[in-house]
Amino acid sequence: SQQGEEDPQALSIQEGENATMNCSYKTSINNLQWYRQNSGRGLVHLILIRSNEREKHSGRLRVTLDTSKKSSSLLITASRAADTASYFCATDGSARQLTFGSGTQLTVLP
Amino acid sequence: DSGVTQTPKHLITATGQRVTLRCSPRSGDLSVYWYQQSLDQGLQFLIQYYNGEERAKGNILERFSAQQFPDLHSELNLSSLELGDSALYFCASSPRDLPGPGGYTFGSGTRLTVV
Repeated sequence: SQQGEEDPQALSIQEGENATMNCSYKTSINNLQWYRQNSGRGLVHLILIRSNEREKHSGRLRVTLDTSKKSSSLLITASRAADTASYFCATDGSARQLTFGSGTQLTVLP
Repeated sequence: DSGVTQTPKHLITATGQRVTLRCSPRSGDLSVYWYQQSLDQGLQFLIQYYNGEERAKGNILERFSAQQFPDLHSELNLSSLELGDSALYFCASSPRDLPGPGGYTFGSGTRLTVV
């Protein structure tokens, strides 16, 4: 079963625009992570936010976490065609391993 | 190159057959995780090994088994294959037993097609 659910399922934007993806989860967590997956490739770790943090930045990425609403958002600013990929949130929750959401397919049009 | 090596990259086999997928974790990582990714089920956790011992089990079928060897490489064995087992199988590794700040390092996956 999947702990996280991303929204929207698919997002298409123009190069230079910002892209926002949301993730909702069900149980309490220690941390939440975001990963990127290019088509048919392995997942790449992007950023981790701990449960006691509200916002975190890394380059063009901004992640927010609202534990009261059990939700997180990933913002990619000034998007590029190379950002085209699927983005997944992952939580640890009560499990020993990461549980991944269903993913958002982002397409950045040149 | 993530440092996690999975072989083979592609595998086509018939129903009822048995296959073995292999994973070498990133140097220094002691944990290995296996995930199955299919269009309808998404990324499903199968099993975790840490330093040779099984640590967590997810939605792994009884027809599937895995092990981690003393050199820390891991193998996932899939037997009595069915069409529904067609999927991407990922191996990931991490330094510790529990998810850490660096997350998991994923391999590029093995695409299994059962015909």
